[in-house]
Amino acid sequence: DIQLTQSPSFLSASVGDRVTITCRASQGIGSYLAWYQQKPGRAPKLLIYAASTLPSGVPLRFSGSGSGTEFTLTISSLQPEDYATYYCQQLTNYPVTFGGGTKVEIK
Amino acid sequence: QVQVVQSGAEVKKPGASVKVSCKASGYTFTSYAVHWVRQAPGQSLEWMGWINGDNGNTKYSQKFQGRVTLTSDTSASTAYMELSSLRSEDTAVYYCARAPLVEIYGIDVWGQGTTVTVSS
Repeated sequence: DIQLTQSPSFLSASVGDRVTITCRASQGIGSYLAWYQQKPGRAPKLLIYAASTLPSGVPLRFSGSGSGTEFTLTISSLQPEDYATYYCQQLTNYPVTFGGGTKVEIK
Repeated sequence: QVQVVQSGAEVKKPGASVKVSCKASGYTFTSYAVHWVRQAPGQSLEWMGWINGDNGNTKYSQKFQGRVTLTSDTSASTAYMELSSLRSEDTAVYYCARAPLVEIYGIDVWGQGTTVTVSS
């Protein structure tokens, strides 16, 4: 199975800060990577697919980059509603796997 | 609007089975897959399997092979997940979610989740 390692597992940042989360894959996955945002008690929400593509309706402060084994999710200017846990997911091989998550706290 | 709505919470005894339904609306059921993902309390997301809404083909995580069965009723635009031989470690929120049949597009519409509690 492909392992996804996210870092950091927890971060605290102020409104307006630039935030970067990293996801490393145990083997190359091309661009078959998605990012999800999950708020407490809610289902995950798709933020980015194909490593860097934003679905319609996702704010432009979110961006994704990377390919192969290293990927990043960046929030250019953190907003209070961005408090959540973020997960990466690979879809190149079965089983589909998720990273361990990064919890973002607003300072 | 596009949505998937899951059945309600379940409480089961160890050794029993649970069947969760997932009704789709607002889109053509046969043009998408349905994934099943679970989340134990305080844990990350865990993929269980996938059913192709068009032809009913399935893929399962080896971890659940033999215990999970994914089915669908295209006439009702509904997918089902049955998990058998339940144990306490199966206590989790179970999500169904829609995904385009080409995997790179991710999982784009999630159900509200179904809490399954396994307790004697």
